[in-house]
Amino acid sequence: GEDVEQSLFLSVREGDSSVINCTYTDSSSTYLYWYKQEPGAGLQLLTYIFSNMDMKQDQRLTVLLNKKDKHLSLRIADTQTGDSAIYFCAESMGGKLIFGQGTELSVKP
Amino acid sequence: DTEVTQTPKHLVMGMTNKKSLKCEQHMGHRAMYWYKQKAKKPPELMFVYSYEKLSINESVPSRFSPECPNSSLLNLHLHALQPEDSALYLCASSQEGRVSPLHFGNGTRLTVT
Repeated sequence: GEDVEQSLFLSVREGDSSVINCTYTDSSSTYLYWYKQEPGAGLQLLTYIFSNMDMKQDQRLTVLLNKKDKHLSLRIADTQTGDSAIYFCAESMGGKLIFGQGTELSVKP
Repeated sequence: DTEVTQTPKHLVMGMTNKKSLKCEQHMGHRAMYWYKQKAKKPPELMFVYSYEKLSINESVPSRFSPECPNSSLLNLHLHALQPEDSALYLCASSQEGRVSPLHFGNGTRLTVT
């Protein structure tokens, strides 16, 4: 199937690390993506990882890819209230982008 | 700031109206997309243009009519919409190629009354 799965909600305290998980289906996906959507806004491309990589780090963001288990995670270090948003993982399949349901991250002061 | 610009930001229209949504990008991207998004749901693909030609239509009702006048512009013409068509309409662009990341605009919030 074309299911990309994410947990729907995550709540953390300001300053803690957040880990958002995603499982995908297509082992031939070349790139996997993380998008952030703040209320009332479009989707912002946060980062993406090539399928032959295990990890990618970009400032406070760390992406881990376990290709064997088709598992992708996004870690946000030192989470801030401005990180509150919905986070979508996505895989490319057949020329289309297949999105997960989105994880709503709530950051409490 | 997004490099994909969508206008208008908000639109309210009646079921008998005709309106158009507009999208513009100046990143030299050759693929452009329309997505529909309901609240707190993932975006749903509607149309894909590649090199100004329609390449994917996800069985979208004919009351939605896309148009790509040139490589920088994408329009979505709306006619005889239903209240259930109320949603956020997102435009995106990418370099041509299956693995290119999509860059999204901030969307048009459409309300059909």
